[in-house]
Amino acid sequence: DGGITQSPKYLFRKEGQNVTLSCEQNLNHDAMYWYRQDPGQGLRLIYYSQIVNDFQKGDIAEGYSVSREKKESFPLTVTSAQKNPTAFYLCASSSGQGDYGYTFGSGTRLTVV
Amino acid sequence: LAKTTQPISMDSYEGQEVNITCSHNNIATNDYITWYQQFPSQGPRFIIQGYKTKVTNEVASLFIPADRKSSTLSLPRVSLSDTAVYYCLVATNRDDKIIFGKGTRLHILP
Repeated sequence: DGGITQSPKYLFRKEGQNVTLSCEQNLNHDAMYWYRQDPGQGLRLIYYSQIVNDFQKGDIAEGYSVSREKKESFPLTVTSAQKNPTAFYLCASSSGQGDYGYTFGSGTRLTVV
Repeated sequence: LAKTTQPISMDSYEGQEVNITCSHNNIATNDYITWYQQFPSQGPRFIIQGYKTKVTNEVASLFIPADRKSSTLSLPRVSLSDTAVYYCLVATNRDDKIIFGKGTRLHILP
């Protein structure tokens, strides 16, 4: 079955360390997105990519970095510059501009210890 | 991107019909209205999308009046498993991303 896979489901990081969250899709979607969700809040857009080797900053890109070397993969790195990284991270994909039926992964819960 | 306003939370009982209204006063001609559902610790799930009048699928109905300044998501005969957060979004086919608000936290009681 086609879908989006995020790994790991839970991740613990020490302060000052970088950590990379994985997102893979086999839906043949052109566009991929990373959102952050804090408890009781909505989703905030971190980065998005409409095509391979291209990506744009969302509303809260500071302290994060991404790459889009393959259509299927859109990893997110949470750097030590991100001051409050503990959150629930969600990856999504769509067929591109004008497609609002995003498919989401099951999320990665990152905790800084 | 048009801003949307929806209630922060709602309670209802099993077997009832639930209507969640979303206000989008600044909706543009090319904007579509989309609703998502999110269960705790899961990613949101697309429920329904519409442009005008009424759209129905196996999960819900979406009612959009002629002026399109609001929309109502209708969930028929809810069950406990419908307890979730419901997001109303407005976007055009020119948008390369969609923005989520805080949504409506729906709590179904037995």
